[in-house]
Amino acid sequence: QVQLVQSGAEVKKPGASVKVSCKASGYTFVSYGISWVRQAPGQGLEWMGWISAYNGNTIYAQKIQGRVTMTTDTSTSTAYMELRSLRSDDTAVYYCGRDDITAPEGSEYWGQGTLVTVSS
Amino acid sequence: QAVLTQPSSLSASPGASASLTCTLRSGINVGFYRIVWYQQKPGSPPQYLLRYNSYSDKQEGSGVPSRFSGSKDASANAGILLISGLQSEDEADYYCMMWHSGALVFGGGTKLTVL
Repeated sequence: QVQLVQSGAEVKKPGASVKVSCKASGYTFVSYGISWVRQAPGQGLEWMGWISAYNGNTIYAQKIQGRVTMTTDTSTSTAYMELRSLRSDDTAVYYCGRDDITAPEGSEYWGQGTLVTVSS
Repeated sequence: QAVLTQPSSLSASPGASASLTCTLRSGINVGFYRIVWYQQKPGSPPQYLLRYNSYSDKQEGSGVPSRFSGSKDASANAGILLISGLQSEDEADYYCMMWHSGALVFGGGTKLTVL
């Protein structure tokens, strides 16, 4: 069965960086992409970006472009999302989801979520 | 004005039907877009329900009950999620999503209360 297992909760200071991992299993990793979505406390869902596990192509949301980098390690079937220059409004649960290989279309399978808290 | 607008809350009775709307911003024609619907319960990731573009271009998520269906209302320029035979377990937040101008965009979500 398709599983996405994310790394554990993080507490970071403003200005720091965080790197969240998402390990996939139960399917051929390079046949799909990965989208990242975040949800601030009590708020709605916000799409952050997508990466193709096949060729590493990325599409980032304009709001965070320049602060985010998404990568994959096909040898371990793991996707990573790094967010830099963290601010308090980056405090959120971050989710990875399996998406289409050529472009983001919406994820049918999701990781359990990773809480990132940004606080001084 | 947001790309996708959803009512913040909706209440319905068990056994009834609920129609959740996702209205596209003026100037964005729902006829050209595929709308995806998610259900989210507290403390859990979103669950994929379905995607709907037209009667011949739609996909339900695996294991999703047939009580959940999608459609469009061209006159209202909206995507619709219809939940029939409401059950208490359907109480959740529901989000619509679509691809627009180089990004995936979510609606603000509708909190559905079943009482």
